Amino acid sequence: NAGVMQNPRHLVRRRGQEARLRCSPMKGHSHVYWYRQLPEEGLKSMVYLQKENIIDESGMPKERFSAEFPKEGPSILRIQQVVRGDSAAYFCASSPRQDRTEAFFGQGTRLTVV
Amino acid sequence: AQSVTQLGSHVSVSEGALVLLRCNYSSSVPPYLFWYVQYPNQGLQLLLKYTSAATLVKGINDFEAEFKKSETSFHLTKPSAHMSDAAEYFCAVQNSGGGADGLTFGKGTHLIIQP
Repeated sequence: NAGVMQNPRHLVRRRGQEARLRCSPMKGHSHVYWYRQLPEEGLKSMVYLQKENIIDESGMPKERFSAEFPKEGPSILRIQQVVRGDSAAYFCASSPRQDRTEAFFGQGTRLTVV
Repeated sequence: AQSVTQLGSHVSVSEGALVLLRCNYSSSVPPYLFWYVQYPNQGLQLLLKYTSAATLVKGINDFEAEFKKSETSFHLTKPSAHMSDAAEYFCAVQNSGGGADGLTFGKGTHLIIQP
């Protein structure tokens, strides 16, 4: 039973480019959570999605950031026109029910903006 | 609103010594509390969680934590440190309403094990 898969593990983008981060949840999990970890900080919740629905995006910046979890395929976190301050580790977690306490985390994508 | 404070960004102990990582929380309602461990270049793994049952919670790898309401604390302990325990540890709180409520994480404590 594969765990939560995130790719790429490392992503380098120049300022102004787009970053696409992918998260394949565990088999049977229909709830996905994205977190951002800035250097020397704890994880901050960004967005919570179910298949084809955004449930809570209150932690996600209003500009440049978007997320989706289509019926088929992985969940995507997209950051448009990246800036240096977007450099961080982005973690995805998934759960079988609407309960973060049961979520399993992926290994994260480390985004570096140069 | 809820928040978590982890005292000490770095804690160093000798192999075989007691591990104590401190966590204090604030929450307007009875909380759920968690400790996660993050090994280098890995995702977070759940060590243990408190969800209003027994106040002393046992987790994996001989870690345990005690919920003390009067002190608003949930400190993590392990009787004897092992080199493999070197990692980043995060305390987190969630309102017991659960559901879409997010987990609020502390800034983390880096545990260093001296040989």
